[in-house]
Amino acid sequence: QQQVKQSPQSLIVQKGGISIINCAYENTAFDYFPWYQQFPGKGPALLIAIRPDVSEKKEGRFTISFNKSAKQFSLHIMDSQPGDSATYFCAARINDYKLSFGAGTTVTVRA
Amino acid sequence: DADVTQTPRNRITKTGKRIMLECSQTKGHDRMYWYRQDPGLGLRLIYYSFDVKDINKGEISDGYSVSRQAQAKFSLSLESAIPNQTALYFCATSDSRVWGETQYFGPGTRLLVL
Repeated sequence: QQQVKQSPQSLIVQKGGISIINCAYENTAFDYFPWYQQFPGKGPALLIAIRPDVSEKKEGRFTISFNKSAKQFSLHIMDSQPGDSATYFCAARINDYKLSFGAGTTVTVRA
Repeated sequence: DADVTQTPRNRITKTGKRIMLECSQTKGHDRMYWYRQDPGLGLRLIYYSFDVKDINKGEISDGYSVSRQAQAKFSLSLESAIPNQTALYFCATSDSRVWGETQYFGPGTRLLVL
């Protein structure tokens, strides 16, 4: 069974809007939470990542919010652009290398 | 030039055939991984290698084998392909000396087993 549950499966947002993707986990041994972005025909690429001792991390228009007590984390894409249309995967790391991925969210930004 | 390359990019094969997917990297990373991606399931780890002599099974290794021919090369074999091995396969690398150890993915191989 998947150790990281991701929702929604897909979302459509207007240009300039906010996209929000949520992930939840159970294993408290996870120590690192990256988000990957994947464009069609390409491999996933690291977008942004957070450690569990930090509640929020922002890089440009992308922000991770982390709630350790609830075992949840989310990706916010502010001012969404058509070039942000992609599939996004949350992940959680254990034992220094092993990533467990969520099922993915396909984001479509309409111009 | 791409840092992580995979060959072939697309492959169609028949049930029962043996096939090999290859991965090469120029990043100088010590760790390499093979994942498969299926719709609605995300990426799942098949095998991983910490160095040439250290190879380990991931969560879905049945029906697969691997070979780490050199630090830069890691190949995945399907000994006798079956239709439910139809998927997108990714190779990834990481550097154990870097905290956070970002995994860098290749472009993927799309495999269809008939």
